[in-house]
This record gives sequence, C-alpha cells and structure tokens, in this order.
Amino acid sequence: AQSVSQHNHHVILSEAASLELGCNYSYGGTVNLFWYVQYPGQHLQLLLKYFSGDPLVKGIKGFEAEFIKSKFSFNLRKPSVQWSDTAEYFCAVRAYNTDKLIFGTGTRLQVFP
Amino acid sequence: DSGVTQTPKHLITATGQRVTLRCSPRSGDLSVYWYQQSLDQGLQFLIQYYNGEERAKGNILERFSAQQFPDLHSELNLSSLELGDSALYFCASSVGSGGGQSGYTFGSGTRLTVV
Repeated sequence: AQSVSQHNHHVILSEAASLELGCNYSYGGTVNLFWYVQYPGQHLQLLLKYFSGDPLVKGIKGFEAEFIKSKFSFNLRKPSVQWSDTAEYFCAVRAYNTDKLIFGTGTRLQVFP
Repeated sequence: DSGVTQTPKHLITATGQRVTLRCSPRSGDLSVYWYQQSLDQGLQFLIQYYNGEERAKGNILERFSAQQFPDLHSELNLSSLELGDSALYFCASSVGSGGGQSGYTFGSGTRLTVV
C-alpha cells in the first residue's frame, strides 16, 4: 500500500529564511507527486505537481520541489519565505494510473515577520 | 472560489444522529472524491465516484455511505454519529478517473461537530 511521510509536523521560520519540507513516499512503481497548500480557513490548493520529465518542478508563489527517485522523496523548497506563506502543506502521491490520492499528515508552517 | 461547492459549511449534531453532506463538482469534472480531515489522522481518503459509479474505496466506515447522482453531484451520508466523527470533510473533483494532469480541485469543506 502506498503511504506518505512528512517528518516535519510544525516548522517556525522568520521571514526571508529558506524553507525545505520533507516528503517521502513508499511505493515501488511509477508515481505522480503533488504538494498542496491549505491557508487558514481555506480549501486545499495545488502548489505544484510532478508527473514525468525534469525532476525539479517549479510551482506557484516561488515554490519548487525535487523528485529524487532513489530516495523516494519529493521535498518542497522555497529560498525566502514570507509571512503570507503561513499555512499547512500537504504532500500527496498517486500510483500511476490509479485514482486514490494519498496524503501525508501535513506540515504546519508559521512564518513570523 | 475553486468551483467545487460543498454544503453546509458547518454542521453541529448530536451523537447517534445522521447527516448528509453535499458536494457539487467543478463544471466538467466527472470524478468526486471524499476526504476526512481530523487533527490526529490528517487527510484520509474515504471514497471516489466516477460518473455515477463507485471507483475506489478508502478508510470509510460502514456507518458512512456515499453516492453520485446523474447530475454528478455527490452526497456523503454519515449515520450513528460518534464524537470521533467530528472532522472537516472535504470533497474534491477531477476531470477523469485518475485525476489527470491537473490533480484534484478541492471544495472548502464541511466542518462537522458531533456533541
């Protein structure tokens, strides 16, 4: 069965600090990978996704993620966070050609000015 | 507005009761997915419907059921409610059965509180 691990449950940063959120998945086959963001009181929004090709994926709002197949990882990065990045971030994986999107438990990011 | 509409936004009910949550997918989307988000369990996949038929099942309790109607809206029925069912229930939709290149579009959720 697929599973997703997000090891950082709560991250606190100051503005302009760099961010890296870890995501590891367990599945031996081809996967599609996603990062979603949930701002306080809002629905989940897609930040970026990886399907194939260049393992370095750029998303909205300056976020990027790198797929490292050998490590089963899809870490999210941002060089310089802003207060408005305060939100919960979810990594998700879907086995190729299946329907279920499996989410990690989420990482709560708090950015202080 | 994501295009996925969920009603009601908030629901408070007593233990043992039954409630129905409603989801209207984004226009053109055929798949509807239901997720439960709780503090201790994170986002748990419950069930998926594609064009009226059940396509995938996750950690859905027997007390819960869902259906998708011909107009593609979906309802999630929760019965014999327990305190532990208190959670945020999200609906998501996608064009195809596999989510497609665009992933899923989520609604704003229904916050269920069981007292």
